Amino acid sequence: DGGITQSPKYLFRKEGQNVTLSCEQNLNHDAMYWYRQDPGQGLRLIYYSQIVNDFQKGDIAEGYSVSREKKESFPLTVTSAQKNPTAFYLCASSISGTRGNQPQHFGDGTRLSIL
Amino acid sequence: AQSVTQPDIHITVSEGASLELRCNYSYGATPYLFWYVQSPGQGLQLLLKYFSGDTLVQGIKGFEAEFKRSQSSFNLRKPSVHWSDAAEYFCAVGSLAAGNKLTFGGGTRVLVKP
Repeated sequence: DGGITQSPKYLFRKEGQNVTLSCEQNLNHDAMYWYRQDPGQGLRLIYYSQIVNDFQKGDIAEGYSVSREKKESFPLTVTSAQKNPTAFYLCASSISGTRGNQPQHFGDGTRLSIL
Repeated sequence: AQSVTQPDIHITVSEGASLELRCNYSYGATPYLFWYVQSPGQGLQLLLKYFSGDTLVQGIKGFEAEFKRSQSSFNLRKPSVHWSDAAEYFCAVGSLAAGNKLTFGGGTRVLVKP
């Protein structure tokens, strides 16, 4: 079955620590996205990548970093500079990153908490 | 800048009753509009989408939505709600600009009474 796999499902971070959230897709989609979800605030875009070896900042990129070395993978690192990282993180992909009429498909998310 | 407003944070509906969720958007051109559903602790599932053409679109799970340009609205409806429809629903508008980015509303949580 094609889809998006996020791991781990739950993650705990200590103060001053960087953590990396994994996102893998086997849909052969060009574009991938990372969102942060907080209660009552909907989804906010952190980073997105239209194609391999390219990525752009979203609305709330400070304290986060990404890489896109392979088409199927788009890991997100939450750095120690992100002072309020507790949230639900969702990864998504779409067939194309250059056409606005493509729906995004989502993984099941990673819940990050501070120890 | 584009934006999406879902005026209702919570809605409680009895099983078997009809449901309507409101969505208003702000976008400079013809919008691409989506409705997604999220069960607790899960990702988002696409219910339906509107790109052009017929303003009444049908989706999965018996949902439909109507695009009204004059009201900048894209309301989601279901004639008869089932207990399994209890979830959070998100409206989103897609951007023609680079990146195919989506802007989401704040969501509406639906509770279903037996």
